[in-house]
Amino acid sequence: AQKITQTQPGMFVQEKEAVTLDCTYDTSDQSYGLFWYKQPSSGEMIFLIYQGSYDEQNATEGRYSLNFQKARKSANLVISASQLGDSAMYFCAMREESGGGADGLTFGKGTHLIIQP
Amino acid sequence: AAGVIQSPRHLIKEKRETATLKCYPIPRHDTVYWYQQGPGQDPQFLISFYEKMQSDKGSIPDRFSAQQFSDYHSELNMSSLELGDSALYFCASSLGGFLSSYNEQFFGPGTRLTVL
Repeated sequence: AQKITQTQPGMFVQEKEAVTLDCTYDTSDQSYGLFWYKQPSSGEMIFLIYQGSYDEQNATEGRYSLNFQKARKSANLVISASQLGDSAMYFCAMREESGGGADGLTFGKGTHLIIQP
Repeated sequence: AAGVIQSPRHLIKEKRETATLKCYPIPRHDTVYWYQQGPGQDPQFLISFYEKMQSDKGSIPDRFSAQQFSDYHSELNMSSLELGDSALYFCASSLGGFLSSYNEQFFGPGTRLTVL
């Protein structure tokens, strides 16, 4: 079974609109971390935001916020006031911490976001 | 700020050849991760090292091996290359390994390997 599910393969959004990228996850661990990365066409992986399973408040980083709903096992990324430079592939990822902090990340299939002027 | 350095950035090899990818983590980072991203795919975790010891193992083929050296840089050795090994290989580094409950992974720019 998929551990990370991103149901939107692609999205088109008008510039300046808010965007919500969906991510659901599956784990039996009590302690885990959820990450969002941005991958522009140039290929680098850019860290955007992190949410720990025990964090009670939703994470925010500038225009990025994470809508964390633990009971529903969802960790949606919200981008406010989208910009043309936000066009990229977005990956949701999870680290299950049962094995310790050096565990690798499990990624979703990604959402290709295109911002239109 | 210093970032993760990977070399080479591009590599072209023939089938059945060997390749070595190098990764230099951010200074003072003690944990290194390797990922493989095929064309149009999500990154797949291969292997990680903390304080020069293998920490976690993902979907790394038996033809691949890796190690972390005393200066914390890491090398991914790939033998008997196959066409399907063509991919972008990322190295990421973090601080703390088992000690940190967060340890954000900072990714390098990647090495693009093409096997002909």
